[in-house]
Amino acid sequence: EIVLTQSPGTLSLSPGERATLSCRATQSVSNNYFAWYQQKPGQAPRLLIYDASSRATGIPDRFSGSGSGTDFTLTISRLEPDDFAVYFCQHYGDSPPYIFGQGTKLEIK
Amino acid sequence: EVQLVESGGGLVQPGGSLRLSCAASGFTFNSYWMHWFRQVPGQGLVWVSLINPEGTFTNYADSVRGRLTLSRDNAKNTLYLQMNSLRVEDTAVYYCARDLIRGVSDYWGQGTLVTVSS
Repeated sequence: EIVLTQSPGTLSLSPGERATLSCRATQSVSNNYFAWYQQKPGQAPRLLIYDASSRATGIPDRFSGSGSGTDFTLTISRLEPDDFAVYFCQHYGDSPPYIFGQGTKLEIK
Repeated sequence: EVQLVESGGGLVQPGGSLRLSCAASGFTFNSYWMHWFRQVPGQGLVWVSLINPEGTFTNYADSVRGRLTLSRDNAKNTLYLQMNSLRVEDTAVYYCARDLIRGVSDYWGQGTLVTVSS
């Protein structure tokens, strides 16, 4: 079973800066079946990116996803105050289980 | 507007049972695969179970197989998760979610907390 490791565990940045979050898989991810979610305290996850680089409905273009194989990246080009949250990566596919990373906390510096 | 509203969580003793519900609105419920995920507060997300649109196929994480049963009533736009033989390690917030594709979920409920403790 694939294991996803997110780095860093915590990222401290200021509004307006660029955030780069990483997720590494223990084996190659087929068809780039890779997603990113944002979660704020007490709230449900919000889908940001799927198929490694496709933005979900309503997601602003400052969020972008990239990567292939075992290494995937979520980039937030210019941080806004509302972007500070926990971000999870997910590997999915034609059959479960659907695996999540342990999360990266993006906090205000 | 798509809405998913979970209910049924609470405190239960080890070995006990609960039934979670997820009421869906704002979309054609009987056209979508649906999932349950769970999350221990402060920890990561874990996929629990899925069901096809017709309710004829289900799948479960190994950790819950044989103890949890997922079903749906398309006439009532409602998903049900019957939880039996509950363990302390089942304690978590349980979310229902709509499948976009292949396990990616585009809409999630707000979650319901299940606490298994004596």
